Amino acid sequence: GAVVSQHPSRVICKSGTSVKIECRSLDFQATTMFWYRQFPKQSLMLMATSNEGSKATYEQGVEKDKFLINHASLTLSTLTVTSAHPEDSSFYICSAQRSSALNEQFFGPGTRLTVL
Amino acid sequence: EDQVTQSPEALRLQEGESSSLNCSYTVSGLRGLFWYRQDPGKGPEFLFTLYSAGEEKEKERLKATLTKKESFLHITAPKPEDSATYLCAVQAAGANNLFFGTGTRLTVIP
Repeated sequence: GAVVSQHPSRVICKSGTSVKIECRSLDFQATTMFWYRQFPKQSLMLMATSNEGSKATYEQGVEKDKFLINHASLTLSTLTVTSAHPEDSSFYICSAQRSSALNEQFFGPGTRLTVL
Repeated sequence: EDQVTQSPEALRLQEGESSSLNCSYTVSGLRGLFWYRQDPGKGPEFLFTLYSAGEEKEKERLKATLTKKESFLHITAPKPEDSATYLCAVQAAGANNLFFGTGTRLTVIP
């Protein structure tokens, strides 16, 4: 159990376009999902926390108008990178929290975004 | 401010050579300390959660321990398939998010 999927796994886009990444919890309900980005050989940096049915909470320095997060259901959160630029190229990873009591977070396989 | 420091940054072991990875942390009230394994180009794979000093958890060749200032991930008789980056993260009291260290890149040589 506790499987999280992401789609797509890889995406290449032109500068100025928007890209949507989906994160799904396949076998459990996730009241909270998290979005991270990871640069090569660096650790995961939290971008935002997403709660079902409410607005996401963004970390300092993360532009909320650029990284749009929607958490429409207990099993799906989406991250849209708007007007992408080459500096947005990174590995984006989501995680889902299965139970607030157990505080266990399970991660998706990640999405490699390359902006040309 | 929450801080997580992992050492060493990289570790090369011969197959069967046991060792330990260290995670030192500073957090305003620890809600949980997490260990993950990450393979290149993949998302982190959950290994353990530790909640209080003195707690230990084991899974196959891995054993995680926790004190008030640090956690160790002991690897007994590692195999080449244990090669990965091992990430430590803390969750502060009252928070849901995780704060990650930079990881230890483990290479096990046959």
